[in-house]
Amino acid sequence: DSGVTQTPKHLITATGQRVTLRCSPRSGDLSVYWYQQSLDQGLQFLIQYYNGEERAKGNILERFSAQQFPDLHSELNLSSLELGDSALYFCASSESGSRGRELFFGEGSRLTVL
Amino acid sequence: LAKTTQPISMDSYEGQEVNITCSHNNIATNDYITWYQQFPSQGPRFIIQGYKTKVTNEVASLFIPADRKSSTLSLPRVSLSDTAVYYCLVGDDNNNDMRFGAGTRLTVKP
Repeated sequence: DSGVTQTPKHLITATGQRVTLRCSPRSGDLSVYWYQQSLDQGLQFLIQYYNGEERAKGNILERFSAQQFPDLHSELNLSSLELGDSALYFCASSESGSRGRELFFGEGSRLTVL
Repeated sequence: LAKTTQPISMDSYEGQEVNITCSHNNIATNDYITWYQQFPSQGPRFIIQGYKTKVTNEVASLFIPADRKSSTLSLPRVSLSDTAVYYCLVGDDNNNDMRFGAGTRLTVKP
């Protein structure tokens, strides 16, 4: 158990819909990362937050948005869903600097868009 | 773009030592090198991390030459359960912008 919790584990929805994925980082971790992994593909970095502020942005579509709340949990919002958005979405958390550089991953949220 | 380049796939046999090399020509002074293992439908899991020279833990060794432009993950005596995708990741001291490369798919055969 990595200590990172993602909900829901599975989600099935239709094209054009909007969903929200939630991530609770490990206790004390200030950084949260979101990744997308399509079938048999690598991990695509979407976005990183550090203590509520956006720290880095990757290949995140304009239809997607994220935020990190004061209690450090994060949400990834996916809107106007398309078939190609079907993927595993992973959240990871870490401390920073000398306090630790390891990324701890959740079990992922599997999104299926029909 | 990812900062790293790895072989797409490798095959090995049980009991052999496996070495996976990662190129990171543009590594910065503050960057660390970390390797992760991922099984299907699971999140990646930390294996080992290093800055320079050699690091060893209970599951692997990491060799980093003086110029730090590459690194080699060494898995001693692999078993079937080591079949997975292995990612090399270069990140700064504050873990910013952590982009994974394509990874190396290791297949261990009996």
